[in-house]
Amino acid sequence: AQSVTQLGSHVSVSEGALVLLRCNYSSSVPPYLFWYVQYPNQGLQLLLKYTSAATLVKGINGFEAEFKKSETSFHLTKPSAHMSDAAEYFCAVTERGGNNRLAFGKGNQVVVIP
Amino acid sequence: EAGVTQFPSHSVIEKGQTVTLRCDPISGHDNLYWYRRVMGKEIKFLLHFVKESKQDESGMPNNRFLAERTGGTYSTLKVQPAELEDSGVYFCASSRAAGGYTDTQYFGPGTRLTVL
Repeated sequence: AQSVTQLGSHVSVSEGALVLLRCNYSSSVPPYLFWYVQYPNQGLQLLLKYTSAATLVKGINGFEAEFKKSETSFHLTKPSAHMSDAAEYFCAVTERGGNNRLAFGKGNQVVVIP
Repeated sequence: EAGVTQFPSHSVIEKGQTVTLRCDPISGHDNLYWYRRVMGKEIKFLLHFVKESKQDESGMPNNRFLAERTGGTYSTLKVQPAELEDSGVYFCASSRAAGGYTDTQYFGPGTRLTVL
């Protein structure tokens, strides 16, 4: 069964600084990987997804993530944090050839400090 | 196009009562999923419909939970009787094509259920 680890429930970042959210997965088969963001009072919105094409995936709002098979990682980055990036971020995995269910990490609540 | 909608946004009930949550997926989406997030824990899969059929209900916690999707459109999730540990946020998601595991799942805003 697949699983996802996100460390650090709360992450503080200064406005203009690098945003780095770590995600490590375990999966018995090649995975599909996703990052979702949840803004207050809204549903989860897809930021980006990895589906075995390019290992560096670009998403919305300036975010990107790199799939590293050797490290079983899919870390999310953004070069310069903006106040509007304050939200909760979730990494998720689903198994290629398996069912469609998403397995989520615990999430990172990002606080942007002016 | 309208997104996934869920009703109600909040529900507060007492232990032993019944609550029904509703999800309206994006029009034309065959796949409908229910997930739940208990406070402090990760979002967990409950079940998956393809049209009106239950494709996978392995995540349902127990037989107090009943999900239906009559006619393959909206879905309801009934909890009867509710227990304290059922408190959490219930998310619904939908995706377009049956069997498309790279299809993006579009999430609703969730229903926050509090059982007192």
